[in-house]
Amino acid sequence: QSVLTQPPSVSAAPGQKVTISCSGSSSNIGNNYVSWYQQLPGTAPKLLIYDNNKRPSGIPDRFSGSKSGTSATLGITGLQTGDEADYYCGTWDSSLNTVVFGGGTKLTVL
Amino acid sequence: QVQLQESGPGLVKPSQTLSLTCTVSGGSISSGGYYWSWIRQHPGKGLEWIGYIYNSGSTYYNPSLKSRVTISVDTSKNQFSLKLSSVTAADTAVYYCAREGFHCSTTSCTPDAFDIWGQGTMVTVSS
Repeated sequence: QSVLTQPPSVSAAPGQKVTISCSGSSSNIGNNYVSWYQQLPGTAPKLLIYDNNKRPSGIPDRFSGSKSGTSATLGITGLQTGDEADYYCGTWDSSLNTVVFGGGTKLTVL
Repeated sequence: QVQLQESGPGLVKPSQTLSLTCTVSGGSISSGGYYWSWIRQHPGKGLEWIGYIYNSGSTYYNPSLKSRVTISVDTSKNQFSLKLSSVTAADTAVYYCAREGFHCSTTSCTPDAFDIWGQGTMVTVSS
């Protein structure tokens, strides 16, 4: 059971928008920065969002992040078939003293 | 740009020690500003952070693995390494090395995002 809770799967049509939620507590999301990762099949995770809502160089603005209280959200607009992947949220947990991740959300672009 | 590459045995016997090395290219571990981390992913499962090391040699480990984990750094080779002792089948996973940022307040530093990852290496624990 992951410390951060994500929906197991989401789906949407090409060109549409999807959001992926990540729910935690005051010891993790509530008081620390959240990052988001994309893991394409058979590859290593790739950083999409850091510090709640910042995009690394090279990440298109179709990807966005937000945080409110003890929850965070990843948004993806203009969905493409190439966006089909597993998405993970992560942050530091100040009570457990460890980095924690969500269980991952599989995105299907129908 | 900075790249990371894991290396080490793909098969380890139960009760033995798993040893992996991560070679950093395109940048220097000694330059500071980042933690150097290990993360694993059990087959078909999510991500589990193992721990990090700073260029000074200071380390921090996941409490659930702390008794079995040692992370070390060799700045002369621009490498950092993972040792996981007394392995069992439950340690079978893909192991990734990654560069990790951090935020510091006046009293402490908190790990941040993993911005660069190695390609990962599969380690199977089996006799």
